[in-house]
Amino acid sequence: DQQVKQNSPSLSVQEGRISILNCDYTNSMFDYFLWYKKYPAEGPTFLISISSIKDKNEDGRFTVFLNKSAKHLSLHIVPSQPGDSAVYFCAAMYSGGGADGLTFGKGTHLIIQP
Amino acid sequence: GAGVSQSPSNKVTEKGKDVELRCDPISGHTALYWYRQSLGQGLEFLIYFQGNSAPDKSGLPSDRFSAERTGGSVSTLTIQRTQQEDSAVYLCASSYLGTGSGRNEKLFFGSGTQLSVL
Repeated sequence: DQQVKQNSPSLSVQEGRISILNCDYTNSMFDYFLWYKKYPAEGPTFLISISSIKDKNEDGRFTVFLNKSAKHLSLHIVPSQPGDSAVYFCAAMYSGGGADGLTFGKGTHLIIQP
Repeated sequence: GAGVSQSPSNKVTEKGKDVELRCDPISGHTALYWYRQSLGQGLEFLIYFQGNSAPDKSGLPSDRFSAERTGGSVSTLTIQRTQQEDSAVYLCASSYLGTGSGRNEKLFFGSGTQLSVL
């Protein structure tokens, strides 16, 4: 049973436009959400996070939106740049504990076209 | 080093052989995780070490998989009698306190070991 779902395996966006990556979760205990970015042959790197007490967190070109009632979050990148081409993983956790911590989605491969 | 270091970066082995994968976490990080990513899949949790506590092995897929963490630092993931379905990228991550502490800790990942079982 997949608790974190990224239903789009890939997404192609033109340079300069907005990229929107979506993530859905099923476990209502999750209260902290993160996005990781992964380039080929490298490990994932932390990008941005959001706590369930907020509905939006912004960091430069990256904004994460959280809709708790829909159990849905999205990552917006604007404007999209060629260096943003990577696989983006959505992850969720329950901050009350639990050794396995983060539950990851399968990732979305973002391709920024010139 | 400044980041999480994993070796080897690539490992090709024959079915039935044993393999050892190494992870050197960021100095001072008490928590260490092993994940694997099979083709087309997300990151699958394998095992978690926190300080000197007994590891959480709940994610290990079979008894062919085991891991150790010596001196609270370097960790080795061992896969015995490898099978073709073990082929994946094995990722190690570390964090300062660990998610089991209830803190919202972000993980720092190594570059992974690409394991191919022929």
